[in-house]
Amino acid sequence: AQTIHQWPVAEIKAVGSPLSLGCTIKGKSSPNLYWYWQATGGTLQQLFYSITVGQVESVVQLNLSASRPKDDQFILSTEKLLLSHSGFYLCAWGAGPLYFGAGTRLSVL
Amino acid sequence: KTQVEQSPQSLVVRQGENCVLQCNYSVTPDNHLRWFKQDTGKGLVSLTVLVHENDKTSNGRYSATLDKDAKHSTLHITATLLDDTATYICVVGDRGSALGRLHFGAGTQLIVIP
Repeated sequence: AQTIHQWPVAEIKAVGSPLSLGCTIKGKSSPNLYWYWQATGGTLQQLFYSITVGQVESVVQLNLSASRPKDDQFILSTEKLLLSHSGFYLCAWGAGPLYFGAGTRLSVL
Repeated sequence: KTQVEQSPQSLVVRQGENCVLQCNYSVTPDNHLRWFKQDTGKGLVSLTVLVHENDKTSNGRYSATLDKDAKHSTLHITATLLDDTATYICVVGDRGSALGRLHFGAGTQLIVIP
């Protein structure tokens, strides 16, 4: 069975500090991977997607970047956090049905 | 401009009652539509996916319809349980592949009371 794991579960960071969120998918080779973001009280937005290792496409620019260093790993990062980065980040995989991780809640202070 | 509108914004029902959630959208092309359940602060769980004109799906107590002409979908929950308390999100995909974009509604917050 496939599993999707996101880390950390929650993070409190200072404005201007770096950030790295991770997502790992086990039990599925070459999955399509996605990052989504939901501002508090807002709507989910697709940020990035990746079809294969080393290739990431940006959907919405939020001063964030994503990388896929391994087939089963998707990383979301930034060198300088903004207050507006606060929210809930979800990783997902799938091509037909979509399967989401439990998410990471980020608070930028 | 919001391309996926859900109604009502929130809904309170008594355990055992049925409820209907609505989704209207303007996304073009509309390849498929999904309903997700999101518990507070948790990930999304897919309830159903609708692809074809006038599709109808059933997944236990959840059933859904899609009218592509009207760009409208409904999610029916029968015999609600306390565990159905969550936010239900309508998502429209403009393609069937990863190259497509998903458009999310703001969700309907359902609260089931004893």
